[in-house]
Amino acid sequence: AQSVAQPEDQVNVAEGNPLTVKCTYSVSGNPYLFWYVQYPNRGLQFLLKYITGDNLVKGSYGFEAEFNKSQTSFHLKKPSALVSDSALYFCAVRDFHNTDKLIFGTGTRLQVFP
Amino acid sequence: AAGVIQSPRHLIKEKRETATLKCYPIPRHDTVYWYQQGPGQDPQFLISFYEKMQSDKGSIPDRFSAQQFSDYHSELNMSSLELGDSALYFCASSLEQGKDTQYFGPGTRLTVL
Repeated sequence: AQSVAQPEDQVNVAEGNPLTVKCTYSVSGNPYLFWYVQYPNRGLQFLLKYITGDNLVKGSYGFEAEFNKSQTSFHLKKPSALVSDSALYFCAVRDFHNTDKLIFGTGTRLQVFP
Repeated sequence: AAGVIQSPRHLIKEKRETATLKCYPIPRHDTVYWYQQGPGQDPQFLISFYEKMQSDKGSIPDRFSAQQFSDYHSELNMSSLELGDSALYFCASSLEQGKDTQYFGPGTRLTVL
């Protein structure tokens, strides 16, 4: 069965410092991997995705993620955090062959302190 | 750019009542997905439609039904509401099935009293 794990419930980082939000996945075939961000009382906003190609994927708002097949990870990164990046971040995976559905991780709350 | 539209944004119902949630996908998107997000939880897939046909089904209760209409909008019908149905219901749309990105609407917050 496909699954995604986000091992950290919360990540705290000072403004201007680099941030990393971790995600590992488990799928039977080739994964499609996504990152979404959710602000309070808002929908899920798409940040970036990995389908094939370069392992380093660049997305919206200066975020990027690195696909690592050997470690089955897809960590979200940003070189310099902003207070406005504070939100709930979800990693999601979609099975290559199969279903329409996205399987989400449990989410990581990012708190950026000024 | 146009986004996914969901209505209503908030809905309050009593137990055993019915509710209808509507979703209007991004123009030209032909696939619609429904997700349920309980308090403090991750979104869970309910059901999806491609070209007005059900394409995939997740953990959707039998009390719920959905359909996609000729203009590609979709409706989620929920009957015999229970307290546990209180959640944020998201609709997402994509240009085609497969690897395309799912773009989410703002959600409908359903509260069952």
